[in-house]
Amino acid sequence: RKEVEQDPGPFNVPEGATVAFNCTYSNSASQSFFWYRQDCRKEPKLLMSVYSSGNEDGRFTAQLNRASQYISLLIRDSKLSDSATYLCVARVNNNAGNMLTFGGGTRLMVKP
Amino acid sequence: SQTIHQWPATLVQPVGSPLSLECTVEGTSNPNLYWYRQAAGRGLQLLFYSVGIGQISSEVPQNLSASRPQDRQFILSSKKLLLSDSGFYLCAWSHLGARANEQYFGPGTRLTVT
Repeated sequence: RKEVEQDPGPFNVPEGATVAFNCTYSNSASQSFFWYRQDCRKEPKLLMSVYSSGNEDGRFTAQLNRASQYISLLIRDSKLSDSATYLCVARVNNNAGNMLTFGGGTRLMVKP
Repeated sequence: SQTIHQWPATLVQPVGSPLSLECTVEGTSNPNLYWYRQAAGRGLQLLFYSVGIGQISSEVPQNLSASRPQDRQFILSSKKLLLSDSGFYLCAWSHLGARANEQYFGPGTRLTVT
């Protein structure tokens, strides 16, 4: 079983739609969580951290459910520019202080 | 502000040839440094990480090696490339210690082994 699992998609949605991605993690010792965005043939870029109380950044809302060990990302009013692969990431503290485990990514395609 | 550089951007190498990829970070001191590989259509795999000069930890046994000759320089090497070494190689940095949370990636090197 993968440590961080995501539905690979693709999610094909029209402009203006609301879309939600879920992600599950298996290591209960995971302490921090993030969503990264990766455009085709580019490096991943940090989209947002995920806080226990949930957090919002403009059209993006991230939620964490520790009891069920899942993280979600909600995108409202989708734009064409939101088309990308979204990577769910969990962090476990260890001797290196910062080991991130990446999910395989969920691909989003926003259509006009 | 911090920036991270990688070169070359793309590379085509024959099987059995050596490899050297370089990564440098500017605008920060004592960063944690990481090398990842992303095979086509797959997730990121952590290859090496370093918490300081000369300190390298390997996550996956392979024919690759890493070195950190300076605080903000991280090098990925191979003596003899295999076809399976093809992929997108990403260097990343994070703050050391208690601030070590998010990681920030360089632009990557796309390696094709032929």
